[in-house]
Amino acid sequence: EAQVTQNPRYLITVTGKKLTVTCSQNMNHEYMSWYRQDPGLGLRQIYYSMNVEVTDKGDVPEGYKVSRKEKRNFPLILESPSPNQTSLYFCASSLPAGQGNEQFFGPGTRLTVL
Amino acid sequence: AQSVTQLDSQVPVFEEAPVELRCNYSSSVSVYLFWYVQYPNQGLQLLLKYLSGSTLVESINGFEAEFNKSQTSFHLRKPSVHISDTAEYFCAVSLPNDYKLSFGAGTTVTVRA
Repeated sequence: EAQVTQNPRYLITVTGKKLTVTCSQNMNHEYMSWYRQDPGLGLRQIYYSMNVEVTDKGDVPEGYKVSRKEKRNFPLILESPSPNQTSLYFCASSLPAGQGNEQFFGPGTRLTVL
Repeated sequence: AQSVTQLDSQVPVFEEAPVELRCNYSSSVSVYLFWYVQYPNQGLQLLLKYLSGSTLVESINGFEAEFNKSQTSFHLRKPSVHISDTAEYFCAVSLPNDYKLSFGAGTTVTVRA
């Protein structure tokens, strides 16, 4: 089954404790991205990756890091989480831009930073 | 840059009644338009999309959306909703041949019996 998986689904942590949210896709997509979803704001892009070893900032990158060492994986790293990073996070991968741009989303990770 | 405005944050509706979710976008060039649906505690799923051609696009579960270039709108409609249509709906826009999606703030649809 074609899918995007994320782990963990739920995470409660404390300020300053480094964490990583993993993302993996099995569709051989080159493009992957991370979003955060906050009430009344919709989804905002944090980082994206056009291919292995190619990453770039989205609209709200502050406080986040990413890496893309393999095509299928795109982890999101919070080196020193703060309460304003409490949010619902989604990873997505995309069909090639010339094939309609459809993005496939993971199930989400709900993060609470105390 | 492209942006999306969803004009209604919450839409309560009775079962079997029609519903319309409004979406306006701003862009100086041609765009692709999307509606995504998020059921409770799930990720987003593509509902339908407009890339080019016919301005009326349909989904497999009875939703339709019409692209109106002059009004820069892409409103979503369903003539008769079910309880299972309770969800949050997001309108999104991208440039052709560009991966970046810009989302609206979302519209929560609550269907009551």
